[in-house]
Amino acid sequence: DVVLTQTPVSLSVTLGDQASISCRSSQSLEYSDGYTYLEWYLQKPGQSPQLLIYGVSNRFSGVPDRFIGSGSGTDFTLKISRVEPEDLGVYYCFQATHDPLTFGSGTKLEIK
Amino acid sequence: QVQLKESGPGLVQPSQTLSLTCTVSGFSLTSNSVHWVRQPPGKGLEWVGAIWSGGSTDYNSALKSRLSISRDTSKSQVFLKMNSLQTEDTAIYFCTRRKLGAFAYWGQGTLVTVSS
Repeated sequence: DVVLTQTPVSLSVTLGDQASISCRSSQSLEYSDGYTYLEWYLQKPGQSPQLLIYGVSNRFSGVPDRFIGSGSGTDFTLKISRVEPEDLGVYYCFQATHDPLTFGSGTKLEIK
Repeated sequence: QVQLKESGPGLVQPSQTLSLTCTVSGFSLTSNSVHWVRQPPGKGLEWVGAIWSGGSTDYNSALKSRLSISRDTSKSQVFLKMNSLQTEDTAIYFCTRRKLGAFAYWGQGTLVTVSS
């Protein structure tokens, strides 16, 4: 199974600062069709997860442009510029390139 | 609009079988895949399995021997059955639909507690 390693495990950020989360895969996530099925989700306290980024760098509808996904192959990054209070929660990367599909272990973002 | 709603027993005894239903609206099961994701209390997300638009299924390799996902397209329902339940299966179970190649829509989740 593909293992997604997220770092850091937790992150404490001052409002207005940038946050960066890394997701490293044990295998390349580029599918045979050239697409990379790497997604980012945010789970706010007490809520279902919500989609932020799909296909490495595409923001889902309604997601602010402060959220930027990047990367390729096995190394991916989610950057959140100008962190706001509503950004707190746990961030997960997820891969759907290889079966079985797998989540990263999560990164908890706290506001200082 | 798109909605997914999980329903189930809440409490299941160890070694028994869990049966959950995901009732969907606003889209067709024959054109979209529905997945199950679970989250033990205070822990991370775990992909459980999926039923694809054509009716084929895929499962988490660690759960495969105990798991079955099926559907009734006429009722817009997806079913999860997992046998030989243990305490470590205690979790919130979410159903979710893929759009744009990602989990764009989620149910609110249903808590399943495995306890005698």
